[in-house]
Amino acid sequence: ETGVTQSPTHLIKTRGQQVTLRCSSQSGHNTVSWYQQALGQGPQFIFQYYREEENGRGNFPPRFSGLQFPNYSSELNVNALELDDSALYLCASSLDGRLYNSPLHFGNGTRLTVT
Amino acid sequence: AQTVTQSQPEMSVQEAETVTLSCTYDTSESDYYLFWYKQPPSRQMILVIRQEAYKQQNATENRFSVNFQKAAKSFSLKISDSQLGDAAMYFCAYQGSTLGRLYFGRGTQLTVWP
Repeated sequence: ETGVTQSPTHLIKTRGQQVTLRCSSQSGHNTVSWYQQALGQGPQFIFQYYREEENGRGNFPPRFSGLQFPNYSSELNVNALELDDSALYLCASSLDGRLYNSPLHFGNGTRLTVT
Repeated sequence: AQTVTQSQPEMSVQEAETVTLSCTYDTSESDYYLFWYKQPPSRQMILVIRQEAYKQQNATENRFSVNFQKAAKSFSLKISDSQLGDAAMYFCAYQGSTLGRLYFGRGTQLTVWP
């Protein structure tokens, strides 16, 4: 069973640029969630995708957007990068996001640094 | 809004001893889940234990157990017979009616001394 994989592991961007982060969900999982973890903080929910549609969003501006593909992998896109976007971005998949008894399985994250 | 508070930024324990990490939360919902996650330097969030709010019995997973006090909105994690591999950042998390969305505390850094 393949777990959740994220790429790249590290990324350095300049303020104002755009970035795309990628996530492959665990085999059999149809739901993907993205979290932002700033240094010294707990993860903050960005959004969730269920069967290719966004079905929940946290308090993040529209320049944070995402996609989920038919194979349930996902992308997180961030436009007009700001210094405060520097963080660890975690992807998590679950078997079925509609169910309570569907724990999240996390990837190792992408460390984004904005200079 | 749901909030999760971990009041201990750092804790330390001697190997083979017991340590308790504290967590409180605020919610108006009656049905929810609570979790403890472990984040080692590898950065991956690993589920340690979870508790369903409607179950009165405290969850246990090997050396890990919780003390769930629903009325007090308290959810502490007890680690028995601590091992060097338990050293990590521990996060308490809440999941309510917005399925899939977890609310995390700020974490407790646990150090285990040999």
